[in-house]
Amino acid sequence: ILNVEQSPQSLHVQEGDSTNFTCSFPSSNFYALHWYRWETAKSPEALFVMTLNGDEKKKGRISATLNTKEGYSYLYIKGSQPEDSATYLCAFNQAGTALIFGKGTTLSVSS
Amino acid sequence: EAQVTQNPRYLITVTGKKLTVTCSQNMNHEYMSWYRQDPGLGLRQIYYSMNVEVTDKGDVPEGYKVSRKEKRNFPLILESPSPNQTSLYFCASRYRTGITGELFFGEGSRLTVL
Repeated sequence: ILNVEQSPQSLHVQEGDSTNFTCSFPSSNFYALHWYRWETAKSPEALFVMTLNGDEKKKGRISATLNTKEGYSYLYIKGSQPEDSATYLCAFNQAGTALIFGKGTTLSVSS
Repeated sequence: EAQVTQNPRYLITVTGKKLTVTCSQNMNHEYMSWYRQDPGLGLRQIYYSMNVEVTDKGDVPEGYKVSRKEKRNFPLILESPSPNQTSLYFCASRYRTGITGELFFGEGSRLTVL
């Protein structure tokens, strides 16, 4: 059974802190790794879709890296702001399979 | 505006009373999918559709039906809802080209079955 693990489950930081989360996935037959941001009462929105080992993607203060050989991806948020408070979902798929979602990391940023 | 629209957003029903949650997308996406979100669990796929008239089971299809008669619509049908189907449901879509495309999600439908 394919499993996607995200850590930590939740964290609370102060405004201005930088933080990072981890997504672990099976390293065999890798096809793609997705990151989504899910704010309360809204729909999940895609942040990044990553397909190549060593990929690094950036959107504003948020960036992500990918290591397919060891089966992990990091999501970084630089200078967290209250509006970054959300649940961050990681999803992985192997070739020919559906996306498997992790349980998410819930970030709370206080001002 | 590109969007995935689900209805109803909130519903309380009773065991055994058939219901349908509609999903419509205006992006001409081939692929559509239904997920459920339960506390402590990741999004789990119920059913998906690669194109019109093509549907397949996901990880948790029991108790659900779907149809894909038109490209834009992908309704989720609960023929005889039970309390264990109380959940938050998301519809999502993407272009079929490759399977690396991002998913576009609806805003969710919170269903309570008493």
